[in-house]
Amino acid sequence: AQKVTQAQTEISVVEKEDVTLDCVYETRDTTYYLFWYKQPPSGELVFLIRRNSFDEQNEISGRYSWNFQKSTSSFNFTITASQVVDSAVYFCALSEDSGNTGKLIFGQGTTLQVKP
Amino acid sequence: ETGVTQSPTHLIKTRGQQVTLRCSSQSGHNTVSWYQQALGQGPQFIFQYYREEENGRGNFPPRFSGLQFPNYSSELNVNALELDDSALYLCASSLRLAGGPEQFFGPGTRLTVL
Repeated sequence: AQKVTQAQTEISVVEKEDVTLDCVYETRDTTYYLFWYKQPPSGELVFLIRRNSFDEQNEISGRYSWNFQKSTSSFNFTITASQVVDSAVYFCALSEDSGNTGKLIFGQGTTLQVKP
Repeated sequence: ETGVTQSPTHLIKTRGQQVTLRCSSQSGHNTVSWYQQALGQGPQFIFQYYREEENGRGNFPPRFSGLQFPNYSSELNVNALELDDSALYLCASSLRLAGGPEQFFGPGTRLTVL
């Protein structure tokens, strides 16, 4: 069964702190895709990153970085030097190759609050 | 902004009524997926439309139905509304690829069922 678990429901940090959001997934497919989305209070899901299961290279984009480890089925997201504008709900999602719908299976989300 | 638009923004209905939500996909995208997001939860996949045909469905009853038009815009219809249908309904458009396409979401329609 496919499943995405974000064990951290809420995280609160002070501005400029680093913060890591955890994501653990379950799938039987050998080919799959992992995503992170940001949902600000406006409600729109903002795409952040997509990784495929064959590419375990970590990625950095500005203050954002992602650590993909197949051995532990984890795809963690780190924000360096957090800012108040980073406050949002963050979702990790899984998409399997079979079926070719690309449907996303989301975790429950982690609410990040960055205080000034 | 993604270019995906949804209407209306908010909607209030009563139990038993029917509702139609609309979505315009991003230019160049031929696939539209619909998701339901209950308060405090992650979005749940309802179904997907590709070239006007349903292409995959989540665990939702038949009273949830949809359409996709030749211009790739889409509608989500919900009949016999129930209180639990109150949620944010998100539309996502993508270009069909061999698995795992990036899906770009609209701002959502918040439906309240009283």
